[in-house]
Amino acid sequence: EIVLTQSPATLSLSPGERATLSCRASQNILNYLAWYQQKPGQAPRLLIYDASNRANDIPARFSGSGSGTDFTLTISRLEPEDFAVYYCQQRGNWPPITFGQGTRLEI
Amino acid sequence: QVQLVESGGGVVQPGRSLRLSCAASGFSFSSYGMYWVRQAPGKGLEWLTIISYDGEKKNYADSVKGRFTISRDNSKNTLYLQISNLRPEDTAVYYCAKDILGGSPWHFLDYWGQGTLVIVSS
Repeated sequence: EIVLTQSPATLSLSPGERATLSCRASQNILNYLAWYQQKPGQAPRLLIYDASNRANDIPARFSGSGSGTDFTLTISRLEPEDFAVYYCQQRGNWPPITFGQGTRLEI
Repeated sequence: QVQLVESGGGVVQPGRSLRLSCAASGFSFSSYGMYWVRQAPGKGLEWLTIISYDGEKKNYADSVKGRFTISRDNSKNTLYLQISNLRPEDTAVYYCAKDILGGSPWHFLDYWGQGTLVIVSS
């Protein structure tokens, strides 16, 4: 089973700043990685799939990069609504689909 | 617009069974693979199971294999999860979700329901 390790566990930033979140896979997963955003009491929302493709209606300030084992989600200029928990998810070697443990982005 | 609405959660005693439902609308349900994912209180996301668009193929996480059964009724646009022999560690919000790609699944989940809470307690 592929393990995804996200860092940092918590990221404290201010609106307008740039956020960089990392996800490392225990094996090569090519570009088969997605990022999700989850706000308290809400379902996860797909942001990025195939490492760098933005999902429908996702603002351009969200971008993804990486391949193989190291991946990054970048939020270019944080808006107040971006403070949430972010999860990465792999499909490179399934089953199972696995998720990272999450990064909490806080103000 | 795509809507997924789960139901069937609640408080249930250990050892009992439960069936969750997910009513889908706003897309061609019979063309998409579907998933169940759960989230224990204060914890991360755990993939449970997937069913192909036609119901022919199913896969389960090792942690639930043998106790959880996924099924679908394409005539009713509804996805199901049957859970047997419930344990306290099954306490979680259960989400249904849709694959991003029709036909053969791509294993990314582009729409999620709001979740249904299952509490296993005596």
